[in-house]
Amino acid sequence: DGGITQSPKYLFRKEGQNVTLSCEQNLNHDAMYWYRQDPGQGLRLIYYSQIVNDFQKGDIAEGYSVSREKKESFPLTVTSAQKNPTAFYLCASSIRREETQYFGPGTRLLVL
Amino acid sequence: RKEVEQDPGPFNVPEGATVAFNCTYSNSASQSFFWYRQDCRKEPKLLMSVYSSGNEDGRFTAQLNRASQYISLLIRDSKLSDSATYLCVVNKGHSGNTPLVFGKGTRLSVIA
Repeated sequence: DGGITQSPKYLFRKEGQNVTLSCEQNLNHDAMYWYRQDPGQGLRLIYYSQIVNDFQKGDIAEGYSVSREKKESFPLTVTSAQKNPTAFYLCASSIRREETQYFGPGTRLLVL
Repeated sequence: RKEVEQDPGPFNVPEGATVAFNCTYSNSASQSFFWYRQDCRKEPKLLMSVYSSGNEDGRFTAQLNRASQYISLLIRDSKLSDSATYLCVVNKGHSGNTPLVFGKGTRLSVIA
């Protein structure tokens, strides 16, 4: 089945720790995106990538980093510089030059 | 003016009712418009794209008014399963590769 997978479903982070969220897609989409959603809030764009080895900052990139070494994969690292990381993280992808985005099931990050 | 603005609701309606959601957007250069549906603690899923001439998909009708920068979603004959948060989504600029902006959503509860 084609789709987007995210892992883990739940992730716990200790103070000062970096954690990496996985996002994989087998839809052959060129573009991939990371969003953060806080309770009762809309989605905010963290980073996006239109093509392999290229990515751009979104609206709230501080404290996060990404890589795009393979078309299928777009991992997000939440660094210790992100002081309020507790949120629901959503990865999405879209066909290049077509805007419809398809989402993975999300990862809930909690701070211990 | 916020980039995408929606009435947060909640809208509480009986089964079988007709309900309409409105959305306004600030960027007159926006070219792509969507409605997504998000169930509680789940990822957003595309409900329908919104076309200039308006479009219908079963019980759902979407309308676009470019002059007023206004989008609407009409749900007829509401079902219990329609209970969800509905997200208005607009792209930022002229090209298809610009990121999408998500509204905070309008919550709908359909009551038996």
